[in-house]
Amino acid sequence: EDKVVQSPLSLVVHEGDTVTLNCSYEVTNFRSLLWYKQEKKAPTFLFMLTSSGIEKKSGRLSSILDKKELFSILNITATQTGDSAIYLCAVDWGGADGLTFGKGTHLIIQP
Amino acid sequence: DVKVTQSSRYLVKRTGEKVFLECVQDMDHENMFWYRQDPGLGLRLIYFSYDVKMKEKGDIPEGYSVSREKKERFSLILESASTNQTSMYLCASSPPGRLLTDTQYFGPGTRLTVL
Repeated sequence: EDKVVQSPLSLVVHEGDTVTLNCSYEVTNFRSLLWYKQEKKAPTFLFMLTSSGIEKKSGRLSSILDKKELFSILNITATQTGDSAIYLCAVDWGGADGLTFGKGTHLIIQP
Repeated sequence: DVKVTQSSRYLVKRTGEKVFLECVQDMDHENMFWYRQDPGLGLRLIYFSYDVKMKEKGDIPEGYSVSREKKERFSLILESASTNQTSMYLCASSPPGRLLTDTQYFGPGTRLTVL
């Protein structure tokens, strides 16, 4: 059973649209939630979230964590074709439980 | 479902020891990767491999070596562990294909502490 679930699995939108990507997780010694963008060999780190309700922002990207409802969202506003990538969510459980990745959301931005 | 397993979840070693981290995937993937994850730094690529006996350096290969004798297994070796190699190590694998469909499947990670 998956501990980290991302939705949607794929998404196709037009340039300029706003998208919201979702990541939900089970509760077991949660330490932090991380978002990555994967377009080449190594995923690029975007955000690390540890506290509920505090939005993290970087340019057109923002993310927030809800530890009560056990999910996080990644928002991208005014999308550009360069935003096309796989967006990965991962949860750090702490200790020996390791890091669990979701299956990713394939985002395609059409011109 | 793809399964990527790593030999240990939690490992404690002493400075100067030789450390082997093993990764096995069961989906016949050509590509395998080793990363380390440090707070605030995200994932950094150490080495990757496109095929058996083939390896390429990633962004931070210093202090590490790798071995890929069989397609399903990719080993990361710390020849002489140092305290700055204390980190979470993640293995991933992916099939060949176009970049956007080249999803990497990650193992659970190994938390290595070097004392």
